[in-house]
Amino acid sequence: QKEVEQDPGPLSVPEGAIVSLNCTYSNSAFQYFMWYRQYSRKGPELLMYTYSSGNKEDGRFTAQVDKSSKYISLFIRDSQPSDSATYLCAPTIIQGAQKLVFGQGTRLTINP
Amino acid sequence: DGGITQSPKYLFRKEGQNVTLSCEQNLNHDAMYWYRQDPGQGLRLIYYSQIVNDFQKGDIAEGYSVSREKKESFPLTVTSAQKNPTAFYLCASSNTGGVGEKLFFGSGTQLSVL
Repeated sequence: QKEVEQDPGPLSVPEGAIVSLNCTYSNSAFQYFMWYRQYSRKGPELLMYTYSSGNKEDGRFTAQVDKSSKYISLFIRDSQPSDSATYLCAPTIIQGAQKLVFGQGTRLTINP
Repeated sequence: DGGITQSPKYLFRKEGQNVTLSCEQNLNHDAMYWYRQDPGQGLRLIYYSQIVNDFQKGDIAEGYSVSREKKESFPLTVTSAQKNPTAFYLCASSNTGGVGEKLFFGSGTQLSVL
């Protein structure tokens, strides 16, 4: 079983829709949960991160972590064509140097 | 502008050849990383370095080598021992390599085998 599982998609939704992107993980030691956004053939960029369980909101984006079910979510409200990208979840443990474990990424397309 | 520069953007390797991917950062970051990205798979860590003249193997280090002689530079050599080198290679850096730190990525190098 992979440490982090993410549906690769592709996911295609109309502009203005609410998007839900999800990951599951198996390592209960994960404490920090990152979401990276990657545009085609570019390097990923950090979108949001949360520590432990709970919600974190940043503009149209909300990150949610449920450690009891080992489930990570990213919600995008009022989705825009510019949100079209691949979204990678990346949890990490507290142990020395940062070693993120990346999910496969979900390819999202927002249609105008 | 501060950032990470990877070169070349595209690279081709012949059978039995070693090739070197360049990564330079001017963010004054201590930690640098190399990841490999294959279609349908997440990023996998090849090597990382938290300080000059020191580096550690990641999850898929076999067939790769690195050096960290200068703070701003972290070149990756793909050796002939790496039998399946075709992939998108990403270099990243972070301030100190601490937990939860933001990674800054370069624009990547696409390596293909001729």
